Amino acid sequence: GAVVSQHPSWVICKSGTSVKIECRSLDFQATTMFWYRQFPKQSLMLMATSNEGSKATYEQGVEKDKFLINHASLTLSTLTVTSAHPEDSSFYICSARDSGAINSPLHFGNGTRLTVT
Amino acid sequence: DAKTTQPPSMDCAEGRAANLPCNHSTISGNEYVYWYRQIHSQGPQYIIHGLKNNETNEMASLIITEDRKSSTLILPHATLRDTAVYYCIVVGNTGKLIFGQGTTLQVKP
Repeated sequence: GAVVSQHPSWVICKSGTSVKIECRSLDFQATTMFWYRQFPKQSLMLMATSNEGSKATYEQGVEKDKFLINHASLTLSTLTVTSAHPEDSSFYICSARDSGAINSPLHFGNGTRLTVT
Repeated sequence: DAKTTQPPSMDCAEGRAANLPCNHSTISGNEYVYWYRQIHSQGPQYIIHGLKNNETNEMASLIITEDRKSSTLILPHATLRDTAVYYCIVVGNTGKLIFGQGTTLQVKP
């Protein structure tokens, strides 16, 4: 089945530093990937749509200069949290679709838990 | 994309069928109903999806009413490992999955 891998699974960083999270589709190519954020006891919130070879599309209220997304290949998208602050501490999850068809399932990575101290 | 309504929580006895309802009264003709679940501190897991017809796979069955305004996810023989938050999501032309609050299913021994 389609596998989406995220790395790292957890990271602790100091306030003011930047953190990069990788999302890979292991056995399929993904022209589009999605990034989500989840705070404790809350649901997943869609942050942005990552498009291979073009700029990401951000959801309303998500700062594009704060959360840099790069989708340089058909199997890799990265999310960089720039100048991280404690309020950026969250569970970040990516997803990808293993087909160009919009009605095929999205598969999710196992998430990255970011803690900013 | 259409909004969905699910009960916040449900209990189910181990070995019994778990029936999770979802209302999506504003669904459009080309929108699919998807079900995912999330076990604590993991990424969501795809379960099943459908458009009009009932669907069944190795994990579950999806029953969609004729008017498509509601659906039910059925886990035929729930186990303790099925304890999770279950999300019913309607997906349209954007292909985006917008998560609601879901239903927390507690399977009890």
